[in-house]
Amino acid sequence: QITLKESGPALVKPTQTLTLTCTLSGLSLNTTGVGVGWIRQPPGKALEWLALVYWDDAKRYSPSLESRLTITRDTSKNQVVLAVTNMDPVDTATYYCAHRDPTDCFDVWGQGTMVAVSS
Amino acid sequence: DVQMTQSPSTLSASVGDRVTITCRASQRISTWLAWYQMKPGRAPKLLIYKASILESGVPPRFSGGASGTEFTLTISSLQPDDVATYYCQQYDSDWTFGQGTKVEIK
Repeated sequence: QITLKESGPALVKPTQTLTLTCTLSGLSLNTTGVGVGWIRQPPGKALEWLALVYWDDAKRYSPSLESRLTITRDTSKNQVVLAVTNMDPVDTATYYCAHRDPTDCFDVWGQGTMVAVSS
Repeated sequence: DVQMTQSPSTLSASVGDRVTITCRASQRISTWLAWYQMKPGRAPKLLIYKASILESGVPPRFSGGASGTEFTLTISSLQPDDVATYYCQQYDSDWTFGQGTKVEIK
């Protein structure tokens, strides 16, 4: 059974860098075809895809946020890390990580972690 | 970027009703379209992929359809457990979600 769990700070200040960690269980990040993505949802708003990293370390980013995002993987810990620079109150959201399945959908999601941006 | 336009934003229906949610893509995406169900405080759940294929374990009252760039999610007989917000998502070019449809019981 694949599970994902997000962790990170609940509160960051404007201009700071947010670093979130997704820990994957039940599946190795080294397994061919595996991908893990990050998606966020601001309060009362829609889901927004942010970034994704594949088993071979290829990466994809949302064009609108690419300049602020960095996604990395740590295969020794089976973790995926997302860094978002220059945080702003509009970045307040619940951040989810999710497993990309072979059909290219997100079939398993973490519970999400709420991040508020405030001074 | 592929934009997804979802309607309606809110839907109120009675238990047992047939309800349909529509999603329109800004360009052709073949059938690279998924539907997700979101309930407050819970992780999103994949319901349908490739426009019409039901994810394992999803009740058969859910179905998906496609015609050109228009896609539908239909619940054949609305149940209280179906109260949720539903999102479409294209995955032909990266991943883009619709704005969501909140389904309520009348």
